[in-house]
Amino acid sequence: GAVVSQHPSRVICKSGTSVKIECRSLDFQATTMFWYRQFPKKSLMLMATSNEGSKATYEQGVEKDKFLINHASLTLSTLTVTSAHPEDSSFYICSATLDRTYGYTFGSGTRLTVV
Amino acid sequence: GNSVTQMEGPVTLSEEAFLTINCTYTATGYPSLFWYVQYPGEGLQLLLKATKADDKGSNKGFEATYRKETTSFHLEKGSVQVSDSAVYFCALSAPYSGGGADGLTFGKGTHLIIQP
Repeated sequence: GAVVSQHPSRVICKSGTSVKIECRSLDFQATTMFWYRQFPKKSLMLMATSNEGSKATYEQGVEKDKFLINHASLTLSTLTVTSAHPEDSSFYICSATLDRTYGYTFGSGTRLTVV
Repeated sequence: GNSVTQMEGPVTLSEEAFLTINCTYTATGYPSLFWYVQYPGEGLQLLLKATKADDKGSNKGFEATYRKETTSFHLEKGSVQVSDSAVYFCALSAPYSGGGADGLTFGKGTHLIIQP
């Protein structure tokens, strides 16, 4: 079946530094990748949608300069949290799909802690 | 806009009990509906889905029927096990309107606890 690999699973960084999270589709070409943020006891909130080779589309309220998304190939998307602050601490999950009929496959998530 | 409402829990049941987790949605047209399960510290796994009215999705003893008239997609299981303890998310994807895939809209999740 479709597999999406997300790394790292956990990361702790100092306030003011940047952190990169990778999302890879291992056995299919992901035309579209999605990045979600999950707060404790809250639902997943869609942050942005990225299509290979084009700029990401950010949801309202998500700072595009803070959360940089790159989808340079059909198997890799990265989310970089720039100048991280403690309020950016959260669980980030990526999802990938070939097309809307293919279904959505989720990565295992990244727990980011900013100290 | 689209939205999904589900009971938040926690829902605590004894093993072999009957489970229902309610989910209702708001969307224009005919969205696709999903149930995902999240085990502690992990990402989401697709449990089942339905893409049109009256479809029934089923997997691992779980079932949900797409009810257009009540805009609902309730999750049921006849006899739960301790291993079913997890957080369950109801979600929808918008009806196709041209272009690429859209992100999912999730409910807040229901924490299910099954006691031996």
